[in-house]
Amino acid sequence: QKEVEQNSGPLSVPEGAIASLNCTYSDRGSQSFFWYRQYSGKSPELIMFIYSNGDKEDGRFTAQLNKASQYVSLLIRDSQPSDSATYLCDATTGGFKTIFGAGTRLFVKA
Amino acid sequence: DTGVSQDPRHKITKRGQNVTFRCDPISEHNRLYWYRQTLGQGPEFLTYFQNEAQLEKSRLLSDRFSAERPKGSFSTLEIQRTEQGDSAMYLCASSSSGTNEQYFGPGTRLTVT
Repeated sequence: QKEVEQNSGPLSVPEGAIASLNCTYSDRGSQSFFWYRQYSGKSPELIMFIYSNGDKEDGRFTAQLNKASQYVSLLIRDSQPSDSATYLCDATTGGFKTIFGAGTRLFVKA
Repeated sequence: DTGVSQDPRHKITKRGQNVTFRCDPISEHNRLYWYRQTLGQGPEFLTYFQNEAQLEKSRLLSDRFSAERPKGSFSTLEIQRTEQGDSAMYLCASSSSGTNEQYFGPGTRLTVT
């Protein structure tokens, strides 16, 4: 069974801090990795994607990928209360075989 | 670009009834996905279309579930003889070929009583 694992949380950080969200995957054939944000009662919203080892930055968000360790992370700098949501990690193989983790709940305290 | 739309947004049905959901993807996207999501879980893959071809269907999906995308545009997901365990949020997403970045619709929340 190919899996994507995330700590369910909740992860609680103070406003302005860095939130670090982690994800591991079991399928070494996974090629593309995505982070989605999901507010309660809403559908997932794509916030970051990464295909190559290393870091990718977009505004306050940085995605990190280490294929050797089968590890993906998302850093959120200057966390805001509006960042409070569930963050879903998605690993995709072969273009469409996609597996989501169960998500990590993040709370940013004002 | 109006995004991915789904209809209905909510559906309450009695056990044993059939239900059908519709998804309209972003117009230039040729890939379409259906997922099911229950509370506290990530989206669970159900099926995938590239244009009108259904290329993958989850082995977890029973024969009561069927999906179509007849003209490579909108898609329908039908659940026959619904069971209480089918209660969930049904999500549709689309992406363009060459990328795997999926854009989700608002979902259809199904409640089977």
